[in-house]
Amino acid sequence: DSGVTQTPKHLITATGQRVTLRCSPRSGDLSVYWYQQSLDQGLQFLIQYYNGEERAKGNILERFSAQQFPDLHSELNLSSLELGDSALYFCASSVDGRGYGYTFGSGTRLTVV
Amino acid sequence: AQSVTQLGSHVSVSEGALVLLRCNYSSSVPPYLFWYVQYPNQGLQLLLKYTTGATLVKGINGFEAEFKKSETSFHLTKPSAHMSDAAEYFCAVSLPGSARQLTFGSGTQLTVLP
Repeated sequence: DSGVTQTPKHLITATGQRVTLRCSPRSGDLSVYWYQQSLDQGLQFLIQYYNGEERAKGNILERFSAQQFPDLHSELNLSSLELGDSALYFCASSVDGRGYGYTFGSGTRLTVV
Repeated sequence: AQSVTQLGSHVSVSEGALVLLRCNYSSSVPPYLFWYVQYPNQGLQLLLKYTTGATLVKGINGFEAEFKKSETSFHLTKPSAHMSDAAEYFCAVSLPGSARQLTFGSGTQLTVLP
């Protein structure tokens, strides 16, 4: 157990729907990162939050959004889902915002049908 | 922008043999370098990292990697493979001052043969 908790572990939903993925960072970690892992694109950085504020943005689609709450958990919202959004979504956390080696959660596998 | 190339999407070694997984990077400035391992149905686990200082970095599970600036490489090695080393390995790079965003290579699947 890495200490980073992601829920749900698996999610199956239909095209056009909206889902929310949740991440609780390791105790004491202030920064949360979201990554997408797919067969065709590999591992891609989506977005980073530090103590509630957005710090860096990567290849995140406009249909996707995220936030980090005062208790430091984070949610990734995916809307108007397409088949191509099927992927593993990982959350990672670190104690500061500098990312010197994150701790990853076990991921949420999203299947869009 | 930085990039990472992992040579060989699949590598097979016999148990007890040397493990060598290759990683080359491209970066405008000396980067920070990482190796992660992913076991089936699990997240990524940090094996080792290079930020500054000694170029030979030792990690967990007997793995080590050497940062070679002249070759822009950061190859991962282990003297003797164990069956439990079978997994997918990812090399990643980030830029100092912007170390938040990791750029990953495409991964190398390591198979260990009995």
